[in-house]
Amino acid sequence: QKEVEQNSGPLSVPEGAIASLNCTYSDRGSQSFFWYRQYSGKSPELIMSIYSNGDKEDGRFTAQLNKASQYVSLLIRDSQPSDSATYLCAASLTGGFKTIFGAGTRLFVKA
Amino acid sequence: DADVTQTPRNRITKTGKRIMLECSQTKGHDRMYWYRQDPGLGLRLIYYSFDVKDINKGEISDGYSVSRQAQAKFSLSLESAIPNQTALYFCATSGKNTGGWGQPQHFGDGTRLSIL
Repeated sequence: QKEVEQNSGPLSVPEGAIASLNCTYSDRGSQSFFWYRQYSGKSPELIMSIYSNGDKEDGRFTAQLNKASQYVSLLIRDSQPSDSATYLCAASLTGGFKTIFGAGTRLFVKA
Repeated sequence: DADVTQTPRNRITKTGKRIMLECSQTKGHDRMYWYRQDPGLGLRLIYYSFDVKDINKGEISDGYSVSRQAQAKFSLSLESAIPNQTALYFCATSGKNTGGWGQPQHFGDGTRLSIL
């Protein structure tokens, strides 16, 4: 059974701080990784895709991938209360035919 | 207008009823998916379709069926609904893989289904 694991949280950070969200995956052949943000009762919204080892930055968001350690992370700089949501990590399995989602980490940003 | 549209948005029904959830998309994607989401369990794949003639079971297909009526339409049916099928249901689409690299999925707004 291929898995993506995340700490369920909640992770609480003060406004303006860096929030660090982590994820591990079991399929060593996975090539594509995604971070989604999901507000309560709403649908998941894609915020980052990452395909290569290293860092990828987009605005306040940085995704980090380490395939050797099978580890993906998302950093949110200058966290805002509007960033409070559940963040889902997803990995596309070997061959890219299926995507497995983690159960998500709840983030609270305190004003 | 939303790229991935689900109807209905909310539905309350009784045990034993047949229910159909519909999904349509304007993204031009070949791949479509149905998920259910329960608190603490994340997204679980029910069925997926890579084109009109290709339907595949996901990890929790028992009690569900699907129909891919066209490239843009993918419907999910509960033939005889039971209370433990109460959940939030999402339809999603994605583009074709490129060189084995999976593409991100794009979600509809969801259907909140309650079975009494």
